[in-house]
Amino acid sequence: DAGVIQSPRHEVTEMGQEVTLRCKPISGHDYLFWYRQTMMRGLELLIYFNNNVPIDDSGMPEDRFSAKMPNASFSTLKIQPSEPRDSAVYFCASSLRETQPQHFGDGTRLSIL
Amino acid sequence: ILNVEQSPQSLHVQEGDSTNFTCSFPSSNFYALHWYRWETAKSPEALFVMTLNGDEKKKGRISATLNTKEGYSYLYIKGSQPEDSATYLCAFDGNEKLTFGTGTRLTIIP
Repeated sequence: DAGVIQSPRHEVTEMGQEVTLRCKPISGHDYLFWYRQTMMRGLELLIYFNNNVPIDDSGMPEDRFSAKMPNASFSTLKIQPSEPRDSAVYFCASSLRETQPQHFGDGTRLSIL
Repeated sequence: ILNVEQSPQSLHVQEGDSTNFTCSFPSSNFYALHWYRWETAKSPEALFVMTLNGDEKKKGRISATLNTKEGYSYLYIKGSQPEDSATYLCAFDGNEKLTFGTGTRLTIIP
């Protein structure tokens, strides 16, 4: 079975540009999570969805970040405009239910110059 | 901000030795405690989800215990092997939000 699929794997762009990260969760999983991983702050939850509905976005750093889940098989995390401090690895994860293990994608390594 | 702490931050263990490390978390609003194994340049891999006080889970040479009343969980690795080298993360699940610890970085010395 395919796991959580993220794209792109790597993204390098100049500050001020719009960045869109994509995630395809495991089929049948009701929960989808977006995380950011940095050396300074470790792994942080940004937002999560249940049945395509955003439940908690309190981890989203600021208005430049937005996330959508238009259907059960696709989610995007968008940064507009991007800044160098947004450079990090962004992970998407999905789980069947709330207390079930989360399955992580391979992450998107984002570098903002 | 929830306080989820892991200790030690890093650990070097001789191959063949057993080891353990700790995750401490708030003892209120407990829903579940997750353990993940995270190898360098890969994505975190789920090890255990623990929900009940006194829970003990085992997967091969790795096991974990849970004490929700005092807010801690131990992860044990028996007979360490080089492939056990990774960062082990715990995550506290409470109030519908998963908060990760900073991890214990384990290095097995051949």
